[in-house]
Formats: sequence, C-alpha cells, structure tokens
Amino acid sequence: QQQVKQSPQSLIVQKGGISIINCAYENTAFDYFPWYQQFPGKGPALLIAIRPDVSEKKEGRFTISFNKSAKQFSLHIMDSQPGDSATYFCAARKAAGNKLTFGGGTRVLVKP
Amino acid sequence: DTAVSQTPKYLVTQMGNDKSIKCEQNLGHDTMYWYKQDSKKFLKIMFSYNNKELIINETVPNRFSPKSPDKAHLNLHINSLELGDSAVYFCASSSPGQGDGELFFGEGSRLTVL
Repeated sequence: QQQVKQSPQSLIVQKGGISIINCAYENTAFDYFPWYQQFPGKGPALLIAIRPDVSEKKEGRFTISFNKSAKQFSLHIMDSQPGDSATYFCAARKAAGNKLTFGGGTRVLVKP
Repeated sequence: DTAVSQTPKYLVTQMGNDKSIKCEQNLGHDTMYWYKQDSKKFLKIMFSYNNKELIINETVPNRFSPKSPDKAHLNLHINSLELGDSAVYFCASSSPGQGDGELFFGEGSRLTVL
C-alpha cells in the first residue's frame, strides 16, 4: 500500500515556465511534509517543507500548497530554470524520528 | 567536510557473494537510516538506528544486517547477494530533537549484482 502518491512521473517544462507536482497522502497522522530534490548521482536533499497548520509556504521560486481536508499537497516551481532539472520527491512523516515515507518521484526536465 | 559519507560509491559483484557498505556522519546526529532506491527511483526505508539501537526494521530479508558500532556509523552487510539486490543504497542521518528532524543523505552506493 503506497501511503504517498505522487504525480506526474515526469514533466517537461520550458525555461521560465511553472512546474507543478502533486502528492496525496492517506495517513492523517502525518504532520510533516517535505520535498526533496535529487540530482543524478547524488543523494536527495531537502528543498522545502511544510506542516499541516499552514496552507502555503514559499521559499524563493519554490512554493508548497497544502490542502489538509483533501489530504493533498503540491510543489510549484516558478520561473523554472535548466538547473532545476532533477527528480523531486514528496514525503510525509509522523513525529520526528519516525520513518519518512516518500512518493514515487517526478523527473523534471527544464528545456532552455 | 562531507556530512554523510558512504563507501564504496560503486560496487559490482557476483550473485551469492557477501558485501558491506559503510556509512559515517559528522553532523552529531543520533539517528541513522538505510534507504534503498530501485531502478524506478522509488525510495524505501530499510532500517533506522537511534544511538546504536535498532528502531525501524522494514520487512527486509534477513540477508541484510545493519550494524551500528557507534552513533556516527551505520554499516550495511548483505549476505548471499541476489540479482534483485541491485539498487542504490542511501545512508541518511537526522536528529529528531533539532528543528523538523531533517534527513541528510549521503551520495549513495550503487550496487550491481551480476
């Protein structure tokens, strides 16, 4: 049973465009929702994270939108750049120290 | 200066062999993890140790045996390697008491079983 479902699997966007990745979760006990960015040959690295008491969080060109009632959250990458080309993972976790459950990943390609 | 370091980065071996992957973190974290990333990029937790004590063991075959000699090290030993063990194995660490307990990942160890 996949507790965090992520879509789309891949995404191609033109430079300057908006990349949108969606995730849905099932476990209402989750209280921490991070997004990780992974470049080829590297480990995932935290990009931005949100807690369910906030509906939106923005850091630079990256924004998380969170809908608690729908159990969905999404990552928006504004003004996408070729350097943003990477695989993005959403994840969810209960209290700190518990396992982080990842979505299936979205491969984003930003064309110049 | 590497925060979470794994060795080796690449490992090619024959079926049936035994191999180990080592991990060290210099972040002062007390919790360490092993994640497996398959060919479709799916990341799945295998084990978690807190201060040398096993706290998460996710239905992993007992051919996989983690060992934590101290809280800065978590090694993974795999016996009788199978083709399906081919994957990238990531070590990670966190400190649940610090902020949101962010996970810091190593660069991965790509295991290829022939």
